[in-house]
Amino acid sequence: GAVVSQHPSRVICKSGTSVKIECRSLDFQATTMFWYRQFPKQSLMLMATSNEGSKATYEQGVEKDKFLINHASLTLSTLTVTSAHPEDSSFYICSARLPGQGRETQYFGPGTRLLVL
Amino acid sequence: SQQGEEDPQALSIQEGENATMNCSYKTSINNLQWYRQNSGRGLVHLILIRSNEREKHSGRLRVTLDTSKKSSSLLITASRAADTASYFCATDAGNSGGSNYKLTFGKGTLLTVNP
Repeated sequence: GAVVSQHPSRVICKSGTSVKIECRSLDFQATTMFWYRQFPKQSLMLMATSNEGSKATYEQGVEKDKFLINHASLTLSTLTVTSAHPEDSSFYICSARLPGQGRETQYFGPGTRLLVL
Repeated sequence: SQQGEEDPQALSIQEGENATMNCSYKTSINNLQWYRQNSGRGLVHLILIRSNEREKHSGRLRVTLDTSKKSSSLLITASRAADTASYFCATDAGNSGGSNYKLTFGKGTLLTVNP
């Protein structure tokens, strides 16, 4: 159980275009999902916490107008990188946790590799 | 500042040997978790140790936690080539599982197990 999927797994786009990445919890309802980015050989940096039915909570230094997050249902959160630039090229990973107090483990998607040309 | 820093950054061992990775952190925590990441993939949860626990075992994994030193170690015994991956510690310093819950990841240790 607790499977998280991401789509697409890999995307190449031109500078200035927008890219949408989907994160789905396949066998559970996730009131909270998390979006991370990871540069090569580095750690995961939390970008934002996505809450179903409300606005996302962004980490300091992350532009909310640049990285749009929509958590429209209990099984789907989307991250849209708007007006992408080459420096946005990175590995984007989402995760979700089971609802309820005391559920501290996160379940991760397989990641989306974004390359902006 | 980096919450959760692993050392060594890279570790190369032979199959059958034990691998020990360490993690240090700076603030008080509710729990500390270890995750594994194969190259270019998502993370897989390995083990969670709570702040009131000192040691935990899961199969070939042994985790220790020393809250006085703000450090944790992950020991993988009898390593296999398939254990080759990056290993990250992550700390939960918020309202455990509650509204301000989030994980902060360390930089990771790249473990290579040679056959």
